[in-house]
Amino acid sequence: GNSVTQMEGPVTLSEEAFLTINCTYTATGYPSLFWYVQYPGEGLQLLLKATKADDKGSNKGFEATYRKETTSFHLEKGSVQVSDSAVYFCALSDPQGAQKLVFGQGTRLTINP
Amino acid sequence: EAEVAQSPRYKITEKSQAVAFWCDPISGHATLYWYRQILGQGPELLVQFQDESVVDDSQLPKDRFSAERLKGVDSTLKIQPAELGDSAMYLCASSSPRGGELTEAFFGQGTRLTVV
Repeated sequence: GNSVTQMEGPVTLSEEAFLTINCTYTATGYPSLFWYVQYPGEGLQLLLKATKADDKGSNKGFEATYRKETTSFHLEKGSVQVSDSAVYFCALSDPQGAQKLVFGQGTRLTINP
Repeated sequence: EAEVAQSPRYKITEKSQAVAFWCDPISGHATLYWYRQILGQGPELLVQFQDESVVDDSQLPKDRFSAERLKGVDSTLKIQPAELGDSAMYLCASSSPRGGELTEAFFGQGTRLTVV
C-alpha cells in the first residue's frame, strides 16, 4: 500500500539556519505529493504541493521537488524564522485511488531566536 | 475566506459514554474526510464521503464508530462506547477534486477528545 516516511524529529535550529526535512514515499501509480503544516492549536494547512515528477512546489520560502527516481519530496528553506516553528507533515494522494491523503508521522520544528 | 467548521473544539468524556463530533465542510465540496490524529503521529483516515455516500471506511472501527452525512453537506462522527485509546484529535477535511485528482484538502481546527 501507499506510505510516507519522514525524518524523525524533533528538529531544533537557530534563526536563519538552513532547513531540510526528509520525506520518502512508497506508492503504486503516480501520486501527488504535499507538505502540510500544523501550527500550535490549529488545523493542518497546505504549505506546498507537486503533482508530477520534477515539479517543484514552493510557498513562503519553502521548496520541495518531486523526485521520482529517489521517491522523495524533501522540504527545504534557506533561512528559517521563529514563526516557522510548527509540525510539518508530508503526504501523498494517489489520483487513481479514492483521492485520500496518506500522511507521514510529522516532524516537529522549533526555531530559536 | 471559506473554512471547514468543527465542533466542539474540546471534549472530555468518561469511558463507556457516547460522544459525537460535527463537521461543516466548505460549501460545494463534495468530498468529506474524517481523520484521527493520535498525539505525535500523522493523521489517519477513518472515513471518506463522496456526497452522502461512504467511499472508504476500511479503517473505521465499526463496532464503536459511526459516521453519517445524510444530506451530503455536514457530517457527524459518533463513538459509542468511548474507550481510553480513543483519546486523540479528530480532524475533518473537505475537498473538491478536479478531473478526479485531489488538488488540496482543507482541514478544520479539529476536536480534541480526552477519554477519562
